[in-house]
Amino acid sequence: SQQGEEDPQALSIQEGENATMNCSYKTSINNLQWYRQNSGRGLVHLILIRSNEREKHSGRLRVTLDTSKKSSSLLITASRAADTASYFCATAGASGYSTLTFGKGTMLLVSP
Amino acid sequence: EAQVTQNPRYLITVTGKKLTVTCSQNMNHEYMSWYRQDPGLGLRQIYYSMNVEVTDKGDVPEGYKVSRKEKRNFPLILESPSPNQTSLYFCASSLYPGVSEAFFGQGTRLTVV
Repeated sequence: SQQGEEDPQALSIQEGENATMNCSYKTSINNLQWYRQNSGRGLVHLILIRSNEREKHSGRLRVTLDTSKKSSSLLITASRAADTASYFCATAGASGYSTLTFGKGTMLLVSP
Repeated sequence: EAQVTQNPRYLITVTGKKLTVTCSQNMNHEYMSWYRQDPGLGLRQIYYSMNVEVTDKGDVPEGYKVSRKEKRNFPLILESPSPNQTSLYFCASSLYPGVSEAFFGQGTRLTVV
C-alpha cells in the first residue's frame, strides 16, 4: 500500500537554484528515508531521518520532518545538472522492523 | 564493494514461458525484497524475506514466487509470465528492515509479449 506521497510530481529548475520536494504520509512512522533514482537505474539511499528528529543535513541535502503534520521535505541547495533524477520518500512503520513503503516520486530536472 | 546484483538486466520473453530473475547481495543482509516499478504507480513490493527460508507476500504477489535457500540469494520466479508483468524489477537488501538503508540492484527490465 502506498504511504508516502511526493509533491510536486515534477520540478524543473536552473543550475544553482534550490530544489524543494515534499512528502506526506498517513500513519505513524519509525523513520522516513529519501532515495534518488537516475533514469531506469537502481535507487540510491540519500538520507534517513528518525521520527524523533526534526532536521538532518548531508552535504547539500537538508531534510526536515514534521510528525504532527505527517510530512517531510527534501531541500537540495545549489543544484547541479547531475542532480537530475527522480527522488522518492519511503516510510517505515512505527512498530519496528517493517518493510519500506515508497511514494511515487518527484522528477527533478536541473538545466545548465 | 557492497552491492546487490541482479541478472539479467534486460529480458524479453513470451507469455507463459517460465523465467527466473536472480538477485545476490554480498553484505550478509538478512532482509531482502523484490519491487516492481511501473509508470504512475511508483515502487510496489512483491515479496520479501526476513531470513533464510522465511518469505512473505508484499503488496502485489500474484503471479510471482520467490525462494530463499541461502542468505545471499533471493531469486524471483515467474512461472507463467503474462503481459501485465511487463515492468522494471528491483531487488533490495538491508541489514535491518525499515530501520537501516536499503541497497538496490540495478534493475531488470522485463517485457512479456
